[in-house]
Amino acid sequence: EAGVVQSPRYKIIEKKQPVAFWCNPISGHNTLYWYLQNLGQGPELLIRYENEEAVDDSQLPKDRFSAERLKGVDSTLKIQPAELGDSAVYLCASSLNQRDTQYFGPGTRLTVL
Amino acid sequence: GNSVTQMEGPVTLSEEAFLTINCTYTATGYPSLFWYVQYPGEGLQLLLKATKADDKGSNKGFEATYRKETTSFHLEKGSVQVSDSAVYFCALSDLDTGRRALTFGSGTRLQVQP
Repeated sequence: EAGVVQSPRYKIIEKKQPVAFWCNPISGHNTLYWYLQNLGQGPELLIRYENEEAVDDSQLPKDRFSAERLKGVDSTLKIQPAELGDSAVYLCASSLNQRDTQYFGPGTRLTVL
Repeated sequence: GNSVTQMEGPVTLSEEAFLTINCTYTATGYPSLFWYVQYPGEGLQLLLKATKADDKGSNKGFEATYRKETTSFHLEKGSVQVSDSAVYFCALSDLDTGRRALTFGSGTRLQVQP
């Protein structure tokens, strides 16, 4: 069974540029999460989807970050415009439902210059 | 709110040494507890979990017991290998609070020398 797929794996951009990350969850998983992992720290939740509905986006900086999960499967996380402090690893995870174990993708490492 | 505290690393051991990585938590409800491992250049992988008090999670020679009285979930392995070198994250999931996300500790880097 394929795991959570993320792309790109690495992205380098200049500040003020837009950037987008893509996530394909494990087939059949209804719950999808985006986490932010700063260097030397544990991941922190940005947003959680139940199917296509964003049910917890309280930690998402909505002035520059946006996310969508069309048709309740793939998801895209966007930053516009990017700032230097956005340099981090963006992790996508999925689970069968909100009570089930979360499985993580390899992450996208973003560097903002 | 919920929080997880892990011992700071790096932890450096020789091959075949005994490993303990301490983890304590604070939660308002009755959380499930997890250990995730992150190998260099890879995403987080679930190592083991425990969903209620006194449960023992185990996998690949690693063990951790859910201790409600001490709010702890320490990770142990009797004989580490070089291939165990990675960053280990303790995490909790507290479904009673309404937030379904994992709360992670800051991670402990393990370096095993041959």
